[in-house]
Amino acid sequence: DADVTQTPRNRITKTGKRIMLECSQTKGHDRMYWYRQDPGLGLRLIYYSFDVKDINKGEISDGYSVSRQAQAKFSLSLESAIPNQTALYFCATIESNTGELFFGEGSRLTVL
Amino acid sequence: QKEVEQNSGPLSVPEGAIASLNCTYSDRGSQSFFWYRQYSGKSPELIMFIYSNGDKEDGRFTAQLNKASQYVSLLIRDSQPSDSATYLCAVNRLNAGNMLTFGGGTRLMVKP
Repeated sequence: DADVTQTPRNRITKTGKRIMLECSQTKGHDRMYWYRQDPGLGLRLIYYSFDVKDINKGEISDGYSVSRQAQAKFSLSLESAIPNQTALYFCATIESNTGELFFGEGSRLTVL
Repeated sequence: QKEVEQNSGPLSVPEGAIASLNCTYSDRGSQSFFWYRQYSGKSPELIMFIYSNGDKEDGRFTAQLNKASQYVSLLIRDSQPSDSATYLCAVNRLNAGNMLTFGGGTRLMVKP
């Protein structure tokens, strides 16, 4: 099993719908991240969490919200999806000593 | 100016050649530097990280860092078709809460 698991892996939805992407990890890391990837733009940080009580906005947080339900779980929500939120979304944890990110397998979201 | 810049490519090299991938960054407070490889449709995986000026070698891969010039590169010796992927440069910015900022990635194609 993957150390960082994302669900769903693929989702097609319509404009205005609420969507939740879930992430769970078994690495025991405190810090978790949500990134968005668009072609040619690399990975852009949406939100990050250093522990259950510490949630921070990244560079592109507008239109998104998150919930850190437990050390191992970090969910990303789109309250009212719009087409330009069509992208590949990655959850990640970080090894604090080295700074290495461990990514989930990605969730491909299409908003029609 | 983007905080982390990479040539999007594609960079095409023949099998067995040296592939040279470059990355520049704008934040002089950056502390650590990472190279990730991402196959199409997959999640990024860490190849190497480097903290100090100079070269760091790991098998066929060499990372080079020049903080004065704000430049980090990745050399791949004896390139193989299996090295064909997108290579993402990431910079840990101390002044941004130790968040990793990614470049847009360089697509490498190794032709048999």
